[in-house]
Amino acid sequence: GQNIDQPTEMTATEGAIVQINCTYQTSGFNGLFWYQQHAGEAPTFLSYNVLDGLEEKGRFSSFLSRSKGYSYLLLKELQMKDSASYLCAVRDWGRALTFGSGTRLQVQP
Amino acid sequence: DAGVIQSPRHEVTEMGQEVTLRCKPISGHNSLFWYRQTMMRGLELLIYFNNNVPIDDSGMPEDRFSAKMPNASFSTLKIQPSEPRDSAVYFCASSPGTSGRSTDTQYFGPGTRLTVL
Repeated sequence: GQNIDQPTEMTATEGAIVQINCTYQTSGFNGLFWYQQHAGEAPTFLSYNVLDGLEEKGRFSSFLSRSKGYSYLLLKELQMKDSASYLCAVRDWGRALTFGSGTRLQVQP
Repeated sequence: DAGVIQSPRHEVTEMGQEVTLRCKPISGHNSLFWYRQTMMRGLELLIYFNNNVPIDDSGMPEDRFSAKMPNASFSTLKIQPSEPRDSAVYFCASSPGTSGRSTDTQYFGPGTRLTVL
């Protein structure tokens, strides 16, 4: 089975940098995903890591360490529209994703 | 291109009634997933199909829930009879279904918000 942990809530200031951590324990691993979900909307894909290291996509970066069962999502130059929940999800050897409970990020002016 | 389409967007029903949720995946995608999201339990996988065949239904709560995928462009999730604890947002997602170490990203539909009174 899978066990995924991430902080429940975080607060940050507009223009700042925030790091959202995710730790996981899994019986099989075939990739880690980050999704963004605004209130009342569907999750949307942000990033994917399957090998160790950092993947950068504009203001968003995601890091993975498979040996430590650890990932983080880094958001730079925070904007008010970044206020949302951020979901960490792990894929096993099938195609199914197991999602963490999500981290609700509040960006303040 | 159209994304994943779900209907209805909102459904309010009374306990004991049958509920049918519908999903049209992205054209060309081979895998389809049904999820349920609640405040208490987060986003949970109910069932997924690959090439119209159910692969893993271990997340289906009980016999009151059933899912079908009669063809590559349509799937249904049925709850019969419905109960108040089934109230949740139900998401359908699809992915290309490629194998190996590929992204095979899942794209979510807008969801159906179900309220069972």
